[in-house]
Amino acid sequence: GDSVIQMQGQVTLSENDFLFINCTYSTTGYPTLFWYVQYSGEGPQLLLQVTTANNKGSSRGFEATYDKGTTSFHLQKTSVQEIDSAVYYCAMRDWTGGYKVVFGSGTRLLVSP
Amino acid sequence: EAAVTQSPRNKVAVTGGKVTLSCNQTNNHNNMYWYRQDTGHGLRLIHYSYGAGSTEKGDIPDGYKASRPSQENFSLILELATPSQTSVYFCASGDDSQAPLFGEGTRLSVL
Repeated sequence: GDSVIQMQGQVTLSENDFLFINCTYSTTGYPTLFWYVQYSGEGPQLLLQVTTANNKGSSRGFEATYDKGTTSFHLQKTSVQEIDSAVYYCAMRDWTGGYKVVFGSGTRLLVSP
Repeated sequence: EAAVTQSPRNKVAVTGGKVTLSCNQTNNHNNMYWYRQDTGHGLRLIHYSYGAGSTEKGDIPDGYKASRPSQENFSLILELATPSQTSVYFCASGDDSQAPLFGEGTRLSVL
């Protein structure tokens, strides 16, 4: 079935470091891919989405692309700040699976000043 | 403003008891979802719905039922709650062009 694998459980950086989080996906269809961010005590909120392979999505300084050839998509930011500390989830919606939206296991980002 | 409202926000239940978690959305979205969130597992899909009267099994449906009596409301039902169902539960709504929008979660403890 459809699945999303997010291997990095935790990433620890200093302010102004480069962030890169990677996910891989498995589907037989044509997915739309999402990145969500969750701050402590809140529900996940959409950070950005990418509908077409090799296109970029961007929001709040974050960028995401997905590579259909390697079935991977990643989130990056050139210079992280302490306020970016949160849990980041990749997710996938694939119409061949109906309206399911499945999530990865999350990456906790800790940014020290 | 788009909103997904969950109730209750916190719930303590006894093993073997019945628990109903409620979700209301004012976004006129067709699709609604229930997830549970546990450390190390992220968000796992329990049930979802693509319209009033429909419910579909997600990836971990065992021990849970769902009900979608209207466009706005989607409930998650634990007929016989167990301690393994202690978790944080999130409801979300979305449609063909909108990514899921989440509520603030319900923290459930089953003792």
